[in-house]
Amino acid sequence: GENVEQHPSTLSVQEGDSAVIKCTYSDSASNYFPWYKQELGKGPQLIIDIRSNVGEKKDQRIAVTLNKTAKHFSLHITETQPEDSAVYFCAAPPEYGNKLVFGAGTILRVKS
Amino acid sequence: ETGVTQTPRHLVMGMTNKKSLKCEQHLGHNAMYWYKQSAKKPLELMFVYNFKEQTENNSVPSRFSPECPNSSHLFLHLHTLQPEDSALYLCASSRTGPHTEAFFGQGTRLTVV
Repeated sequence: GENVEQHPSTLSVQEGDSAVIKCTYSDSASNYFPWYKQELGKGPQLIIDIRSNVGEKKDQRIAVTLNKTAKHFSLHITETQPEDSAVYFCAAPPEYGNKLVFGAGTILRVKS
Repeated sequence: ETGVTQTPRHLVMGMTNKKSLKCEQHLGHNAMYWYKQSAKKPLELMFVYNFKEQTENNSVPSRFSPECPNSSHLFLHLHTLQPEDSALYLCASSRTGPHTEAFFGQGTRLTVV
């Protein structure tokens, strides 16, 4: 089955700096890679996703890059702001079924 | 607001109690999920329903009993729980089919005493 590993588990950055979170996956048939943000007291919410037919996708200060050969994908947040502080999860689906396997999460703290 | 509503938000129950968690979505989705979120662990998928039919049970103990009466509602019936079952229980929904966005509720924080 699919195995997703996420690093780092915690990340502290200064406001205005960039943050990068990386995930690796095991199922080479996976072709959809979402990133979720979970704020305190809330459920995870999708912030960006990428499909395997592209290598990079950008949405304002957030971008995701995908390397299918190496089976890893990364979340990039530029010009970080205090409101970016949250837990971020990557996910990947196994080849069959409409479910997602999540990484363990990264606690991002943006210090002002 | 994601369109997925879970009740109650918080629940404290004894090990001999029976309680139920409720999830409701009006997004037109036909797939619904229960996840368990414990501290320092990845989100654990518990059950998957597609068009009201259970399509996945991820080796969940029988003290957790899901029910999906229609595509908009999902329940998780709880009985004879253990303290280690204390966690945040998240419901999600999506369109049926692979590689679609999952919308999560805010979760029910369950404490078993």
